[in-house]
Amino acid sequence: AQSVAQPEDQVNVAEGNPLTVKCTYSVSGNPYLFWYVQYPNRGLQFLLKYITGDNLVKGSYGFEAEFNKSQTSFHLKKPSALVSDSALYFCAVRDPDYGQNFVFGPGTRLSVLP
Amino acid sequence: KAGVTQTPRYLIKTRGQQVTLSCSPISGHRSVSWYQQTPGQGLQFLFEYFSETQRNKGNFPGRFSGRQFSNSRSEMNVSTLELGDSALYLCASGRSSTDTYNEQFFGPGTRLTVL
Repeated sequence: AQSVAQPEDQVNVAEGNPLTVKCTYSVSGNPYLFWYVQYPNRGLQFLLKYITGDNLVKGSYGFEAEFNKSQTSFHLKKPSALVSDSALYFCAVRDPDYGQNFVFGPGTRLSVLP
Repeated sequence: KAGVTQTPRYLIKTRGQQVTLSCSPISGHRSVSWYQQTPGQGLQFLFEYFSETQRNKGNFPGRFSGRQFSNSRSEMNVSTLELGDSALYLCASGRSSTDTYNEQFFGPGTRLTVL
């Protein structure tokens, strides 16, 4: 069975500092990994994905994520946080053997303090 | 290109009633998935439709059903509403049922409150 863990409910970081939002996963086959962000009263917006290839993937709004197969992790990072990055972040995995639906992590609330 | 639209945005119902939510995917997208988001359970997959056929189903009771029309628009129905059905219902649009490489695009959601 597929599963996604986001070990931190809340991450606080000062504006201008680097940020990391952690994600670990469990799938039976090769994982397709995604990060989405949700702002208040909005749907989910796609940030980036890892399908295959380079372990460091770059996405929208200056975010990037590093895929680590041995640690089964896909942590989201940004070199310099902005107050406007404050939102709810979801890591998701898709196992093609189980269809197109996502299995989402519980979400991590990021607060960037001015 | 217009995004995914969901109607209504907000809905208040009472226990025992039924409700129908609507989703219009991005033009050209033929796959529609539905998710339920609650503070306690997070985001949970309900079902996926492609070409008017349900392709995949999550672990929800039979009170939750859906359908897709020939223009790819989708509706989900919840019968005999329970308090626990209060949630944000999100619709996601995708190019095809087998396009697992690409992201899905989410609508703004319908906030359902059951009193």
